[in-house]
Amino acid sequence: GENVEQHPSTLSVQEGDSAVIKCTYSDSASNYFPWYKQELGKGPQLIIDIRSNVGEKKDQRIAVTLNKTAKHFSLHITETQPEDSAVYFCAADTGTASKLTFGTGTRLQVTL
Amino acid sequence: DTEVTQTPKHLVMGMTNKKSLKCEQHMGHRAMYWYKQKAKKPPELMFVYSYEKLSINESVPSRFSPECPNSSLLNLHLHALQPEDSALYLCASSPAGVGNQPQHFGDGTRLSIL
Repeated sequence: GENVEQHPSTLSVQEGDSAVIKCTYSDSASNYFPWYKQELGKGPQLIIDIRSNVGEKKDQRIAVTLNKTAKHFSLHITETQPEDSAVYFCAADTGTASKLTFGTGTRLQVTL
Repeated sequence: DTEVTQTPKHLVMGMTNKKSLKCEQHMGHRAMYWYKQKAKKPPELMFVYSYEKLSINESVPSRFSPECPNSSLLNLHLHALQPEDSALYLCASSPAGVGNQPQHFGDGTRLSIL
C-alpha cells in the first residue's frame, strides 16, 4: 500500500519568514495530494490540493509543488503569521478507493 | 465554521455503555467517512460509505458499527468499548464515491472511555 513520509516533525519560524514542509510518497499510482491544517481542538481543514497533471499550485500565501519523478511534494507558506501555527498533514490518494494516506504531521510554530 | 457537523463534541462513557456519534453534511456529498485520531497522530480511516453503501471497512472491531441512514447523515454506534478506543473521532465527506475528491472534515467527537 501507499506510504507517505513527512518532514520535519516540528518547525519553528519567525513571523514573516517562509516555511516549507516536505512529503514523499511510495505508490506511483497516487495522483491527488491534499494538505490539511489542524488547529487545537478542531478537525483537519483542507487548505490546498494538487493533482498529478499539475506541477505547482498557488493560493495567496500558500503554494504546493509536485515532483512526480521523485515522488515528492511540498507545502510552502510565505510571510508566515501567528495564526499559521498549527499541525499540517500531507496526504496522498491513488484514486481507486477513496482512501487518503496521511503523513505523520508537522507542528508549525510561528513566533513573534 | 465547518460544513460537516458532528455531535456530541465530547463524550465520556463506560465500557458497558451504548452510545452513538452523529455526523451531518448538507453539501450534497455522496461519500462519507469515519476516522479515528489519537493524540499527535494522523487520522486513521475506519469506514467509507459511497452512495449510502458501505464500501470500505478497515478491519475495524465489531464494537464499532457504522450506519448511513441517508446521503446527509452518518452514525457510528458504539458498544462495549475499551479504554484504548479513547480518541478523537472525525467524520468527513467528499463529492463522490471515488477517489481524487477533496475530503472535508468535521471538528470531531472527543471520546473518553472510563
